[in-house]
Amino acid sequence: GNSVTQMEGPVTLSEEAFLTINCTYTATGYPSLFWYVQYPGEGLQLLLKATKADDKGSNKGFEATYRKETTSFHLEKGSVQVSDSAVYFCAYSKIYNQGGKLIFGQGTELSVKP
Amino acid sequence: DTGVSQDPRHKITKRGQNVTFRCDPISEHNRLYWYRQTLGQGPEFLTYFQNEAQLEKSRLLSDRFSAERPKGSFSTLEIQRTEQGDSAMYLCASSLGGSGRVAYNEQFFGPGTRLTVL
Repeated sequence: GNSVTQMEGPVTLSEEAFLTINCTYTATGYPSLFWYVQYPGEGLQLLLKATKADDKGSNKGFEATYRKETTSFHLEKGSVQVSDSAVYFCAYSKIYNQGGKLIFGQGTELSVKP
Repeated sequence: DTGVSQDPRHKITKRGQNVTFRCDPISEHNRLYWYRQTLGQGPEFLTYFQNEAQLEKSRLLSDRFSAERPKGSFSTLEIQRTEQGDSAMYLCASSLGGSGRVAYNEQFFGPGTRLTVL
């Protein structure tokens, strides 16, 4: 069925370390792909998005590339900060025949230590 | 406009009681979504509206759950005869959806209503 699989957390890194959070999806067609972030005590916020194959979404130093051939959308950041500590959710949606509902992964908690 | 708002933020109830949550979307958004999030999991889709029409309901939405969006603006989610398994964060999101030309669907989320059923 349709699903999103993320690498399990928690992920603990030192400040300025390189971050990768893996995400793969199972869906037919050409979904749009998203990373949402949930900071402690706050609601979900869109971090970045990509709407077609080979698109790269980027925001706040984070990047993710839509890889149709591997059905992946891995999140990367070259140098993490303590303020990046949060839970990150990978998600996809299909607009035209599914109303745009989001299918989320289980989330990956990131903890960045000074 | 300050974004999507939800009320109440927290609700504690006893098993068997009915509860109702409200969501106010971003004013120009025609699509409104409800999700449920349990601890350590990602949000799961419950239902969505386009304007006042409820277009899809998840199998997660049992007969005890009902949602409305009577005038295409705010929405309510009611849970009847609550059970302990209903304890979760209920999230509302809204977006500007169209009929084919929208290339993606950026949903804006509210802060959620945390339900605890004792």
